[in-house]
Amino acid sequence: DIVMTQSPVSLPVTPGEPASISCRSSQSLLHNNGHNYLDWYLQKPGQSPQLLIYFASERASGVPDRFSGSGSGTDFTLKISKVEPDDVGIYYCMQSLQAVTFGGGTKVEIK
Amino acid sequence: QVQLVQSGAELKKPGSSLNVSCKVSGGPFVHQNLNWLREAPGQGLEWLGGIIPVFGVANYAQRFQGRITIIADESTNTVSMELRSLRSEDTAVYYCAKARGVTIFGPYGMDVWGQGTTVTVSS
Repeated sequence: DIVMTQSPVSLPVTPGEPASISCRSSQSLLHNNGHNYLDWYLQKPGQSPQLLIYFASERASGVPDRFSGSGSGTDFTLKISKVEPDDVGIYYCMQSLQAVTFGGGTKVEIK
Repeated sequence: QVQLVQSGAELKKPGSSLNVSCKVSGGPFVHQNLNWLREAPGQGLEWLGGIIPVFGVANYAQRFQGRITIIADESTNTVSMELRSLRSEDTAVYYCAKARGVTIFGPYGMDVWGQGTTVTVSS
């Protein structure tokens, strides 16, 4: 299986400041159709996960533009341009190029 | 706007079977890519399997093969998951989720989620 490694595990953030989460895969997620099969999800406390980003950089419907995804192959990044208090939760990356595997999660909390 | 409503919490004995359902509304049921995932206490998310009702054939994560069955009922717009031979490690919150699309291996872009079903396996 493709192993997904996220860092950091915990990320204290200051509202209004930027934040960045890294996700690395043990194999390339780039399909020959040009898409990277890499999603980002946020699970807010007490809620179901929600999709933020698919194909590594495509923002899902209704997701604020302060969230952006980048990267290709094996290295990916989720950036929040200006963190808001509502952004706290656990962020997961997920690959679906070979089976489906998730990263271990990054817990974002307000300083 | 597709909505997913799951069945209620379950308490199961080890060795028994679990049946969880997910009712789909607000969209064309037969063409949705519907999946089951779970999150065990202190663990991350794990995909169990999925189905597109119009095709009728489910795709399962390898480690659940032989222990899981996912079916879609077009008459009730419901997708159900059965997990057999339960053990304590199956204690988790189970989610159904609709995906934007699917590869031969599994879903991508799971953009609508159910509310979650808490399952406890204990003697």
